[in-house]
Amino acid sequence: AQSVTQLGSHVSVSEGALVLLRCNYSSSVPPYLFWYVQYPNQGLQLLLKYTSAATLVKGINGFEAEFKKSETSFHLTKPSAHMSDAAEYFCAVINQAGTALIFGKGTTLSVSS
Amino acid sequence: DGGITQSPKYLFRKEGQNVTLSCEQNLNHDAMYWYRQDPGQGLRLIYYSQIVNDFQKGDIAEGYSVSREKKESFPLTVTSAQKNPTAFYLCASTPSGGPGELFFGEGSRLTVL
Repeated sequence: AQSVTQLGSHVSVSEGALVLLRCNYSSSVPPYLFWYVQYPNQGLQLLLKYTSAATLVKGINGFEAEFKKSETSFHLTKPSAHMSDAAEYFCAVINQAGTALIFGKGTTLSVSS
Repeated sequence: DGGITQSPKYLFRKEGQNVTLSCEQNLNHDAMYWYRQDPGQGLRLIYYSQIVNDFQKGDIAEGYSVSREKKESFPLTVTSAQKNPTAFYLCASTPSGGPGELFFGEGSRLTVL
């Protein structure tokens, strides 16, 4: 069955530091993977998605993620954190039937000045 | 502007009462979804619908009901059978078939008193 595991429920970085949010997946079929961001009391917004094209995927707001099949990982990175990046981030994978997304439990990113 | 509108944004209800959450989209999307979000649990799928007059249970459908009489509308009823209904509810849609990008509404926060 498809699933995603986000390592670390809370990550804290300083402004200007590297952001690394970890996501490992389990999938019985070639996975479609996504990263979403959620600001307080709002819906989710797509950051980027992997759909079996390039393994390095670039998204909005300077984020990118690399699909590594050998490690079953899809970690999200940003070279330099900004205060506005503070939010909750969710990794997701398409379910086996291809009909819905399965989400991880989320990682809250805090950015300090 | 196209988008997904959820209402009400905040809702309070007494135990034993049914409540219906509205979700309307003007994106002309075929598929619509309801997710429940609890702190530290991520998003869990309640119901989804890929076409009008058809819907499928997700992982946590017990105590919930839906209808899809119109393409643009997918209301969710939280019944008195739902044991722990206090949560943040998110509606989403996607153009057709399996989900590529999900477009989310702003959410409805239900509190049972």
